[in-house]
Amino acid sequence: GENVEQHPSTLSVQEGDSAVIKCTYSDSASNYFPWYKQELGKGPQLIIDIRSNVGEKKDQRIAVTLNKTAKHFSLHITETQPEDSAVYFCAASAGGGADGLTFGKGTHLIIQP
Amino acid sequence: NAGVTQTPKFQVLKTGQSMTLQCAQDMNHNSMYWYRQDPGMGLRLIYYSASEGTTDKGEVPNGYNVSRLNKREFSLRLESAAPSQTSVYFCASTRASGGFQETQYFGPGTRLLVL
Repeated sequence: GENVEQHPSTLSVQEGDSAVIKCTYSDSASNYFPWYKQELGKGPQLIIDIRSNVGEKKDQRIAVTLNKTAKHFSLHITETQPEDSAVYFCAASAGGGADGLTFGKGTHLIIQP
Repeated sequence: NAGVTQTPKFQVLKTGQSMTLQCAQDMNHNSMYWYRQDPGMGLRLIYYSASEGTTDKGEVPNGYNVSRLNKREFSLRLESAAPSQTSVYFCASTRASGGFQETQYFGPGTRLLVL
């Protein structure tokens, strides 16, 4: 089955700086790669996703890049703000629309004031 | 529009007890999921249901059963709870039932402690 590795496990950046979280996946058939943000005591919430036919996607301060050859995708957050502090999860899916997601182990992003 | 709701929010069980975790969505979604989240492990899929009347095993199904009661509701049952089932359980749903993946929306979670 699919295996998703996520690094780093903890990332501390100064407010206003950029943050980058990286994930690799094992199944070359994977075609959907969402990123979720989880705040303390809450369920994960989708922040951005990308499909295998696209190399990059942006939404305001957030961007995701995908390298299918290397089986690698990354989350980029620019101009970080205190409210960006949370745990971020990458995920991948090789199946059809109803299949579940395989998640990475998460990155705890800390924004230092 | 409440999205995905889960009950209870928190539960303490003794080893061997049984319980059912409830999940409901009001978005008319076709597919529903149960995940568990353990410290340092991310989320792992337990079971999912692509449509009413169908269920499939995920990565970690042992010790659990599920029921897709109708399109809105998907329950998770622990027949004989074990300390290894101490976890936070999340229900999710998506409009997709085939074809392309779509956003999975998560509930607030049920925190389960098995003593």
